[in-house]
Amino acid sequence: EPEVTQTPSHQVTQMGQEVILRCVPISNHLYFYWYRQILGQKVEFLVSFYNNEISEKSEIFDDQFSVERPDGSNFTLKIRSTKLEDSAMYFCASSELPGSPLHFGNGTRLTVT
Amino acid sequence: KQEVTQIPAALSVPEGENLVLNCSFTDSAIYNLQWFRQDPGKGLTSLLLIQSSQREQTSGRLNASLDKSSGRSTLYIAASQPGDSATYLCAVPTPTGNQFYFGTGTSLTVIP
Repeated sequence: EPEVTQTPSHQVTQMGQEVILRCVPISNHLYFYWYRQILGQKVEFLVSFYNNEISEKSEIFDDQFSVERPDGSNFTLKIRSTKLEDSAMYFCASSELPGSPLHFGNGTRLTVT
Repeated sequence: KQEVTQIPAALSVPEGENLVLNCSFTDSAIYNLQWFRQDPGKGLTSLLLIQSSQREQTSGRLNASLDKSSGRSTLYIAASQPGDSATYLCAVPTPTGNQFYFGTGTSLTVIP
């Protein structure tokens, strides 16, 4: 069964550094998402992406965050200058249509020291 | 803003027992609801998607119901097994479908 893949599985970075989290969505899906989950808290929406542009973003997704689909398969989340509070599990997801079943990757655990 | 709540936060049952997980949401103007399973340190696996026009959806030992008017959904697990131990999350989409609001989850432990 096709799946969403995310790399790396774990990333450790120092405060102020830039990180890029990578995702390969399911190939025939058109809608892509990033969510995050701080340890012990709810899964929170960050951003959705369709047709090479952001379709919706949350208040968490400030100017420090950006997303890109650099080629036909990858979908990336960049955090320009990481803060301690950015430490979380970051999940990429994709779907065929808005509101249709979401397929999640296994996540990237980001630790900012 | 949509608020999604799940009760109980944690549940421990002996193997073989039938159980019900609850999900409530504040804005009933939803067009579907999804149930997910999350294993420790892993991503979310979609279990069931129930459309607003449906009252129930079944997959194997799982049955999800949806009552939009009361803002509730339940996930029924029959004949629970230790392999069912995980966190179960419900999520509802915004009207655009561009994002989902997640509940805090119910952590289920099935004791052999």
